[in-house]
Amino acid sequence: DAGITQSPRHKVTETGTPVTLRCHQTENHRYMYWYRQDPGHGLRLIHYSYGVKDTDKGEVSDGYSVSRSKTEDFLLTLESATSSQTSVYFCAIRGGDGSGELFFGEGSRLTVL
Amino acid sequence: SQQGEEDPQALSIQEGENATMNCSYKTSINNLQWYRQNSGRGLVHLILIRSNEREKHSGRLRVTLDTSKKSSSLLITASRAADTASYFCATEVDSGGYQKVTFGTGTKLQVIP
Repeated sequence: DAGITQSPRHKVTETGTPVTLRCHQTENHRYMYWYRQDPGHGLRLIHYSYGVKDTDKGEVSDGYSVSRSKTEDFLLTLESATSSQTSVYFCAIRGGDGSGELFFGEGSRLTVL
Repeated sequence: SQQGEEDPQALSIQEGENATMNCSYKTSINNLQWYRQNSGRGLVHLILIRSNEREKHSGRLRVTLDTSKKSSSLLITASRAADTASYFCATEVDSGGYQKVTFGTGTKLQVIP
């Protein structure tokens, strides 16, 4: 296993509330990614990070912010959750051997009512 | 719109047959990767092919890459019921010197025993 955990694994919240998802790695890898998965869309990149305090936007970044204050943690925040953000969120880390392979967490299922 | 798109969206075959999935993408890439996802789980890396490679094999998997057509194919030979899963292509691109990885929409493969 790549040593990547996501929390919470399941969350139900109401529209307008803030939500933070956490991705934690034990591998000390530089790159971390947040994706959302929805039927018919596959995985879409939200934000990614290439180091502490270094982040960039992906394909669907509106409504999301991220922070990386430590190598091991990459946080995804929905400042004011909307029903359109109901999804399964996956975190991934890029292997540190230069191979380019991504290792995925088990996902966080978020339901916004 | 997404960088990668797979076709077909769904594929149903008999055990023992070969399964072929195709991926098309839009921009120049560093590498292209294929992942597998069992229902409700995170993605698992299968194989990576670099932009200067044309074909790669791994066990029952064969991947081809045609950079002039911006397309790739994944062939699974002698399929088994356990190959039933969704398969995604992913492309790694340089974004300001950093490695951005985006996914296609996926092919859902069903192998009938």
